Amino acid sequence: DIQMTQSPSSLSASVGDRVTITCRASQSISSRLNWYQQKSGKAPKVLIHAASSLQSGVPSRFSGSGSGTDFTLTINSLQPEDFATYYCQQSYNTPPTFGQGTKVEI
Amino acid sequence: QVQLQQSGPGLVKPSETLSLTCTVSGDSTSSSDYYWGWIRQPPGKGLEWIGSVFRSGGTYFNPSLQSRLTISIDTSKNQFSLKMRSMTAADTAVYYCTRERAGTTVDDWGQGTLVRVSS
Repeated sequence: DIQMTQSPSSLSASVGDRVTITCRASQSISSRLNWYQQKSGKAPKVLIHAASSLQSGVPSRFSGSGSGTDFTLTINSLQPEDFATYYCQQSYNTPPTFGQGTKVEI
Repeated sequence: QVQLQQSGPGLVKPSETLSLTCTVSGDSTSSSDYYWGWIRQPPGKGLEWIGSVFRSGGTYFNPSLQSRLTISIDTSKNQFSLKMRSMTAADTAVYYCTRERAGTTVDDWGQGTLVRVSS
């Protein structure tokens, strides 16, 4: 299985901050990297697919970059509704695997 | 707007079999664009992909769970199901049914079912 490692595991930020979360794959996955947001008690929601493509309806303050093994999720001007846990997921091969999550707290 | 409605027990005894069903509305399980799958999340932990099924009945499993799994689809009822055998406490988790865009994202999720394994 491809191992996905996120950093940091958690972070504290304020409304208006710029936040960056990184995800590293144990082997090259090209651009087959997706980002999800999960709020407490809810199912995850896709934010970004194919490393940098914003899912329909997702605010433009979210952006993704990277290819190969190293990827980044950036949230510009953090909003109150963005406090959540974020997961990366590789869709390069089966089984699809997720990072351990990054919790963004106030 | 697709909706995935899960049904099944919230409590399973050790060594028994978990059975969950997901009923789809707003899309057809006969769609060629999607796989229908299951993901779980132990309390306070991350996400683990369990497996998925295509309209043809073809299945893909997580190798770590494969020996205990059956995933099936009933396109006439627009449903798909998960059976996981020999449950242990380590299988305690929220189980989600999902709609996966082939080879890419998990686009839609059910409401989740917290399954506890306990005698």
